[in-house]
Amino acid sequence: ETGVTQTPRHLVMGMTNKKSLKCEQHLGHNAMYWYKQSAKKPLELMFVYSLEERVENNSVPSRFSPECPNSSHLFLHLHTLQPEDSALYLCASSQDEGGVTEAFFGQGTRLTVV
Amino acid sequence: QKEVEQNSGPLSVPEGAIASLNCTYSDRGSQSFFWYRQYSGKSPELIMFIYSNGDKEDGRFTAQLNKASQYVSLLIRDSQPSDSATYLCAVNDRGGSTLGRLYFGRGTQLTVWP
Repeated sequence: ETGVTQTPRHLVMGMTNKKSLKCEQHLGHNAMYWYKQSAKKPLELMFVYSLEERVENNSVPSRFSPECPNSSHLFLHLHTLQPEDSALYLCASSQDEGGVTEAFFGQGTRLTVV
Repeated sequence: QKEVEQNSGPLSVPEGAIASLNCTYSDRGSQSFFWYRQYSGKSPELIMFIYSNGDKEDGRFTAQLNKASQYVSLLIRDSQPSDSATYLCAVNDRGGSTLGRLYFGRGTQLTVWP
């Protein structure tokens, strides 16, 4: 496999459920990100990890809990979400040293909270 | 608060015409600039990046950057129906060997009609 892969592609969960989103990158990058994309709003950066260490948390509610066990894997643990959390959640990775620091995105998880 | 502004569109052009997409940004410290294309239901994919003032051409695409005016644009020559998508402008407040913290605009929806 190549690139950035996310699972599941679609998820429907109740407000009392606990679920996790998974992201895996095969690009040898050192940085990984979670973004949220809601209708009519810009992509919002949620979390940044560099070499498995969280370096940024953009005031994200605690019901979203990221985990980065190694530089290739990133999880987003979800619990007691609200309907307004329904969105497309995108994982991305980038090379964090030198060169062009563009982000490569996964296909996203379409989350619906009911 | 770093802001990236784009006309939401929709922008509609005939096949073969030049499509012009514009973006302004608020942070004068911004150093690298990206254009992503996002088809409906898909994740963003990078099509151009630019760091220096002036024009950068890649095939049918030309990115233009004017840091003094805090303005970046994307021109698509010989537009094709397959170019129909939402184009996202993204700005990184650091360049070179740092993390890709991207700030996105809301995107401009482009439709190329045959």
